[in-house]
Amino acid sequence: DAGVIQSPRHEVTEMGQEVTLRCKPISGHDYLFWYRQTMMRGLELLIYFNNNVPIDDSGMPEDRFSAKMPNASFSTLKIQPSEPRDSAVYFCASSLGLAGGPTQYFGPGTRLTVL
Amino acid sequence: AQTVTQSQPEMSVQEAETVTLSCTYDTSENNYYLFWYKQPPSRQMILVIRQEAYKQQNATENRFSVNFQKAAKSFSLKISDSQLGDTAMYFCAFMNENSGYALNFGKGTSLLVTP
Repeated sequence: DAGVIQSPRHEVTEMGQEVTLRCKPISGHDYLFWYRQTMMRGLELLIYFNNNVPIDDSGMPEDRFSAKMPNASFSTLKIQPSEPRDSAVYFCASSLGLAGGPTQYFGPGTRLTVL
Repeated sequence: AQTVTQSQPEMSVQEAETVTLSCTYDTSENNYYLFWYKQPPSRQMILVIRQEAYKQQNATENRFSVNFQKAAKSFSLKISDSQLGDTAMYFCAFMNENSGYALNFGKGTSLLVTP
């Protein structure tokens, strides 16, 4: 079975532009997580979904960030407008949750650079 | 909020030797999960090992084993017969139902395996 798929792998954009990151979770997983990794703050949770419904978005930095999960096999994280401080690696992860096994499996990440 | 502390920012070990990475955590919960993830230079987050708090037996996965001390809130990772491919960042992470199964990561330990 394919793992978590993320696209693009690398994104370079200019300040003020809109950025959309994409994620396809492992088939059958009903939890999806977005994390951000920076040198200063380490790995931090941005938002997670259960059965396509956002459960906790308290980690989303500000209104410039938004995430959606229109169906069980696709999620997006959008930044509009982007700023240089948004430069980071963004990871998507999926799991079956406690009942099925809480281990999270990560995608390869998207390295975002905002100039 | 639960905190995860990795007190060793960097460690080095010679090939074929054994190394132990430390992790402590703070929680008032009784049921939770602990994980070690490996992040090689490719930046992929790879699960190394998982421990359920209700299990007294320490988890093992081939050359990787943990020393789980629940009362002391300690969760160290032992790597036996270290290999060059073990060179990576290692992250300790905590999860429980109250956190919505989101992972709370430590800052990481950079491990270098030398010939």
